[in-house]
Order: sequence, then C-alpha cells, then structure tokens
Amino acid sequence: QVQLVESGGGVVQPGKSLRLSCAASGFTFTYYHMHWVRQAPGKGLEWVAVISYDGSERHYTDSVKGRFTISRDNSKNTVSLEMTSLRPEDTAVFYCAREKSPIEGAGLDYWGQGTLVTVSS
Amino acid sequence: DIQMTQSPSSLSASVGDRVTITCQASQDISDSLNWYQQKPGKAPKLLIYDASNLETGVPSRFSGSGSGTDFTFTISSLQPEDFATYYCQQYHNLPLMYSFGQGTKLEIK
Repeated sequence: QVQLVESGGGVVQPGKSLRLSCAASGFTFTYYHMHWVRQAPGKGLEWVAVISYDGSERHYTDSVKGRFTISRDNSKNTVSLEMTSLRPEDTAVFYCAREKSPIEGAGLDYWGQGTLVTVSS
Repeated sequence: DIQMTQSPSSLSASVGDRVTITCQASQDISDSLNWYQQKPGKAPKLLIYDASNLETGVPSRFSGSGSGTDFTFTISSLQPEDFATYYCQQYHNLPLMYSFGQGTKLEIK
C-alpha cells in the first residue's frame, strides 16, 4: 500500500536551517510529482512546493522562495525540503503528498502523517 | 496569482442535512479544482477532483460542481463522520502551482 513517512521536524531557532525528508513506498515513485503542504497551528492548509516526477521542475509559494528548496532522490524514493532562514511564521505541521498521475486526474491523493516544525528562540 | 475565496468559513448543521460550500476563483481556472476533508490531527483526504469527479472509495453523498470561477461542494445527507473541515484547492499545470481556500469548518448543530 502507498505510504509516505515524513521525518526531520523539531524545534529550531529563527534564522537557522532544517531539512525534512519524506520516504515513499508502495508505488512507482518516479511516475509522480511530489508536494509539500504545511499547516500552522489552528490555521488552514498552505501549499508550499512541488517537484516534478523527474526533478526537472520545482515551484514554490512566494513566502518561501529563496529560502526553501525541494529535491528528490528517485533511487531512494525520497523527497526532501531544505529550509533555511527559518522564521517564527514557518512554524507548522509539514505534510508530504503525492499528486495523482495525469491520466488519473488531479489532486493530492496520498499524504504523510506530517512532521511538526517549531521555529522559536 | 490566483486567489480562492471559500465560504462560509464555518457552518453548523444537523445529521441528515444537505450542506453546500462554495469556492470562487479570482480568474477562470476551468475545472482545475479539488476538494478535501480534514479531521483534527489528521492529514487531509481528497474527496473530489477536477471539480466534479468522486475520488475512489468516497461515498456518493459527496459531490462537486462548477467550472470557470464558481464551484460548489455538496454533502447530500450529513453523516456523523462528516463533521470536519473542508478545503477547496485550485491547481495550475503550467507552471505547477497549487493554492487552497481558507477552509470551512462544519460543526454539529
């Protein structure tokens, strides 16, 4: 069965860096675009970044451009989010999610359990 | 950037009620609109994709409609397990970009 397992969250000081990882299993990873979505405590969902199936395209929401980098390793079935210059407003649960393949339609059909990032001094 | 306006932000209803949530895009997005359900402490779940298609395994009491800028999500007869927060999400393929509506919290009356 499809599984996405995030790791790497924790408490970090403002201005510091953190790297999140998402291990995928149960599907052909190289066929799918992968996303990161976050949710600040008590707030709504915010889309963060996407990487195409082959890593050739990467796009970000404006608030993280220049600070966050999404990457993937198709040999290890992992997708990562490198976060630098972290701010208190980056505090959130970060979810890794799979995008449906184009022939199946659209939408994020599988999600991880989330990993909490807390930016605080 | 395309902005999504979802309403209402909260809604009280009873089991058996018919419930409708709307989402409006700031520009024409064709049918590039998905709907999700999220329960407290859990990851979101995809319910409707491409505006009106029911995701596999999702009960038929959930439905979506609309195209262009105006979209509607309906639960035909609320069940106890449907009390949750619902989000619309638009997507753009070139370049790949997503954005979510603000969410609608559906509570028991």
